[in-house]
Amino acid sequence: SQQGEEDPQALSIQEGENATMNCSYKTSINNLQWYRQNSGRGLVHLILIRSNEREKHSGRLRVTLDTSKKSSSLLITASRAADTASYFCATRGGGSQGNLIFGKGTKLSVKP
Amino acid sequence: DAGVIQSPRHEVTEMGQEVTLRCKPISGHNSLFWYRQTMMRGLELLIYFNNNVPIDDSGMPEDRFSAKMPNASFSTLKIQPSEPRDSAVYFCASSTGQGRETQYFGPGTRLLVL
Repeated sequence: SQQGEEDPQALSIQEGENATMNCSYKTSINNLQWYRQNSGRGLVHLILIRSNEREKHSGRLRVTLDTSKKSSSLLITASRAADTASYFCATRGGGSQGNLIFGKGTKLSVKP
Repeated sequence: DAGVIQSPRHEVTEMGQEVTLRCKPISGHNSLFWYRQTMMRGLELLIYFNNNVPIDDSGMPEDRFSAKMPNASFSTLKIQPSEPRDSAVYFCASSTGQGRETQYFGPGTRLLVL
């Protein structure tokens, strides 16, 4: 069953604007991860935020986590055409299972 | 490091044929994952191994699918017989530990079953 659900499904912005994508999940988590997938390629890990963290930065990326609302957001600042890709959140539960469960992704299009 | 290596990158076959997809995980990683991605269903976990042992195969669609990991550096996903609905992109990923942290994905195998 799907754990993470991204919102919106698609987002189109102009270069230089900020892009915000949201992820909601259902059960308790140890961590939440964001991945990027360029067209025709495999997924690439962007950032991991642990359940005891509220905010994390990596370059132009900012991730927040609200465990009370079971939600996370990914903000890409000063977007570039090269940021055009699909973005997925992935979670794993607190048990012994090692697998990640991915959402269906947000398709971001950054127009030059 | 070469990253996760998958072969073939593209496969076109006819319904009923056997298809074998191959994966070489990153050296030192002890968890390996097979995923399937389609437009309709998104990214689905098929099976994952830890220390070469299958841990969870509940995502394997049916008996036509089988996966093996004979050693730490090689895994196969086999479909026999293949059907048109198996057409998808199949990804292999590897991770340290039990996959609790970052997963590293291969480039995928794009399978088309006619």
